Amino acid sequence: SAVISQKPSRDICQRGTSLTIQCQVDSQVTMMFWYRQQPGQSLTLIATANQGSEATYESGFVIDKFPISRPNLTFSTLTVSNMSPEDSSIYLCSVEFEGSFGTGELFFGEGSRLTVL
Amino acid sequence: AQSVAQPEDQVNVAEGNPLTVKCTYSVSGNPYLFWYVQYPNRGLQFLLKYITGDNLVKGSYGFEAEFNKSQTSFHLKKPSALVSDSALYFCAVRDRNTGGFKTIFGAGTRLFVKA
Repeated sequence: SAVISQKPSRDICQRGTSLTIQCQVDSQVTMMFWYRQQPGQSLTLIATANQGSEATYESGFVIDKFPISRPNLTFSTLTVSNMSPEDSSIYLCSVEFEGSFGTGELFFGEGSRLTVL
Repeated sequence: AQSVAQPEDQVNVAEGNPLTVKCTYSVSGNPYLFWYVQYPNRGLQFLLKYITGDNLVKGSYGFEAEFNKSQTSFHLKKPSALVSDSALYFCAVRDRNTGGFKTIFGAGTRLFVKA
């Protein structure tokens, strides 16, 4: 298993501003993902954070709106840019460990709850 | 494209009774299937998974799930529900042939266990 720490745990933001969420894992992982969970809804994959290269974004998500960094195997950031109330959501960092070749379960951080006014 | 359906928004069961939370999936290839649980104000926790082999898989907290290929289902079950099982449950699928590491989640089913 892993300890996955996300910061901030929650924040209230003003429309038009940007916020960066940090995800720190206590061990090296190959795969890191960012999900969004809108109120009362399921999880939607935003992107796969690739170490040392650009993130792989899912349909409907773009780098200009959700820039992602992954400088090493234990850390990633997700920025929500130019926020609007529609971005109010829980943002979740998740990881899968090296060697599981797609068979492994995901481990999740506690999430970052953003409210945009 | 891969997808997951959880047909019930909510399941109510009395403590001590068996519970079932339903899940069906659609993938172009062979699936990896997962169940996760989300307690209030907490992140998701892994419960169990089906990768290959025995169709009945056992997981954490006494939960089990049965993979049924012909019905493309992976229902979550527990013989005797506890009040502490009340939570939001997500079924998830990964297409081992085409989806790589991408995991798709169902809409979630809220389980209420009444004392």
